[in-house]
Amino acid sequence: QKEVEQNSGPLSVPEGAIASLNCTYSDRGSQSFFWYRQYSGKSPELIMFIYSNGDKEDGRFTAQLNKASQYVSLLIRDSQPSDSATYLCAVRDNYGQNFVFGPGTRLSVLP
Amino acid sequence: DAEITQSPRHKITETGRQVTLACHQTWNHNNMFWYRQDLGHGLRLIHYSYGVQDTNKGEVSDGYSVSRSNTEDLPLTLESAASSQTSVYFCASSESLGDPGDTQYFGPGTRLTVL
Repeated sequence: QKEVEQNSGPLSVPEGAIASLNCTYSDRGSQSFFWYRQYSGKSPELIMFIYSNGDKEDGRFTAQLNKASQYVSLLIRDSQPSDSATYLCAVRDNYGQNFVFGPGTRLSVLP
Repeated sequence: DAEITQSPRHKITETGRQVTLACHQTWNHNNMFWYRQDLGHGLRLIHYSYGVQDTNKGEVSDGYSVSRSNTEDLPLTLESAASSQTSVYFCASSESLGDPGDTQYFGPGTRLTVL
């Protein structure tokens, strides 16, 4: 069974710090990796995706992928209290259409 | 603007009743998905569809059914509601462009309570 694992948290960081969220996956055939943010009581919304080894930056967010280690991470620079949410890692394999989601990491940014 | 909607947003029902949750998208996406989200389990796939008349079982399909008669709608039916089906249900849709960034977009969710 394909699995995606994340630390459930809560991960607490002070305002202005870098938050680092990690995700590991079991299926070596996985091709694309997605990070979603979910505020309490709301639906998941896409932050960014990555499919090549290395780093991909989008504003304050950087996704990092290491397929050899089956590891993907999300860095949030200059963390703000508004970044406090649960972050979901999702994995899609071989250009299929189905995603497998991790359980999410709850981030708390302290003012 | 294109969107994905779910109704009702909140539903309370009794054990044994049949319940249907609606999902409607105006993205014209081929793919539609139903998930449930419970504490400690994250999002789990119930059923999915890759197009009209196509439906498939997901990880936790027992007690649920779907039908796809058009592109826009994928209703989820609980045949005989059980307390274990109390959850938050999300519908999602995606396009099939063969692009690595093909993304699933989520509806606002339906909170279902089975008493």
